[in-house]
Amino acid sequence: NAGVTQTPKFRVLKTGQSMTLLCAQDMNHEYMYWYRQDPGMGLRLIHYSVGEGTTAKGEVPDGYNVSRLKKQNFLLGLESAAPSQTSVYFCASSYPGQASQNTEAFFGQGTRLTVV
Amino acid sequence: AQTVTQSQPEMSVQEAETVTLSCTYDTSENNYYLFWYKQPPSRQMILVIRQEAYKQQNATENRFSVNFQKAAKSFSLKISDSQLGDTAMYFCAFTEISGTYKYIFGTGTRLKVLA
Repeated sequence: NAGVTQTPKFRVLKTGQSMTLLCAQDMNHEYMYWYRQDPGMGLRLIHYSVGEGTTAKGEVPDGYNVSRLKKQNFLLGLESAAPSQTSVYFCASSYPGQASQNTEAFFGQGTRLTVV
Repeated sequence: AQTVTQSQPEMSVQEAETVTLSCTYDTSENNYYLFWYKQPPSRQMILVIRQEAYKQQNATENRFSVNFQKAAKSFSLKISDSQLGDTAMYFCAFTEISGTYKYIFGTGTRLKVLA
């Protein structure tokens, strides 16, 4: 089982460039999430989706956009990268409602993004 | 808004000893789940243990156990017989059962197991 797969694993961008991070899950999960991890700040929710065609803002959405055109994919876009967006990005998915089973979020391996 | 607080940025423990990591949370919900995740240097997020708020019995998974105090909104992780492979960042996380099912994370505790 592949689980949650993120592409790419590493990327260096110049300020002002754009890019898209791809997240794919093969567990038929309804919910998907994008987090960023910064030293001393834990994981902070950027955007999330509760199903195909839906998206919602999380705690730190500014500078990012997302799309969920297919249930298995959740894309995170940076239209004009800034040094403050240097971080490790994690995608996760979950399938709530399965009482006491699979209630946790399943994570991808992360993407280290550096904006110079 | 729900919050999760981990007040110990770093901890260390001797191999084979026991260590307890602290976590407190704030919520007005009655039904929710709590988790501990481990993040080793590989960066992968690995579920260690989960606790359902409606269960009074503390969850255990081999050497890992929790002390869940619902009234105090406390959820600590005890690691017994610590091993070098336990060296990692540990995150406490919370999610409500109803609604948006967002996972809220603490800032993490970096644990180092010493040989």
